[in-house]
Amino acid sequence: GAVVSQHPSRVICKSGTSVKIECRSLDFQATTMFWYRQFPKQSLMLMATSNEGSKATYEQGVEKDKFLINHASLTLSTLTVTSAHPEDSSFYICSARRVGTGGVEAFFGQGTRLTVV
Amino acid sequence: AQKITQTQPGMFVQEKEAVTLDCTYDTSDQSYGLFWYKQPSSGEMIFLIYQGSYDEQNATEGRYSLNFQKARKSANLVISASQLGDSAMYFCAMREGRSTGGFKTIFGAGTRLFVKA
Repeated sequence: GAVVSQHPSRVICKSGTSVKIECRSLDFQATTMFWYRQFPKQSLMLMATSNEGSKATYEQGVEKDKFLINHASLTLSTLTVTSAHPEDSSFYICSARRVGTGGVEAFFGQGTRLTVV
Repeated sequence: AQKITQTQPGMFVQEKEAVTLDCTYDTSDQSYGLFWYKQPSSGEMIFLIYQGSYDEQNATEGRYSLNFQKARKSANLVISASQLGDSAMYFCAMREGRSTGGFKTIFGAGTRLFVKA
């Protein structure tokens, strides 16, 4: 099956620093990737849709300047949390849809647990 | 607006018995997809089953089946012969059918399933 790799799986950073999270589709091309945020015991909330070669589409209430998304190739999207604060601590998870399959399912990365101290 | 509702925050089931996890949805789209994902404590999202809005037969995948009632806008997941390893969080999700929206997927609040030995 298709594999999506997310890195790092866990990161601890200091307040005010930036953290970059990578989402790679290992064995397929993905023109569209999605970034979600999940607080403890809650559901996944879509943050943004990442489109290869164009600007990301952010959901209402998500600060585009704080959560920078770059989708530079068909296999890689990155999410950068800039000037992180403790309230940004969360589980971030990406998904990717394989090109040309009709998109029956999206494949998820393993997730990144971010802790800002 | 699209919405997914899972009204059962937690469910208990005896090992080897069947269990139904409820999901209702709301959408004005004619074309959409419904998914169920399993999220164990490790955080990864595991795809279980998919039902397209135009599929006339209920989807089945091994021990998983989706009871799709389009008129009632419900897409309940049935797990037969529960196993201890089925204990996890289960999310119902809906993907919109409009390509202009990037086929966004929204998630319900989730149901935590506990399988008792």
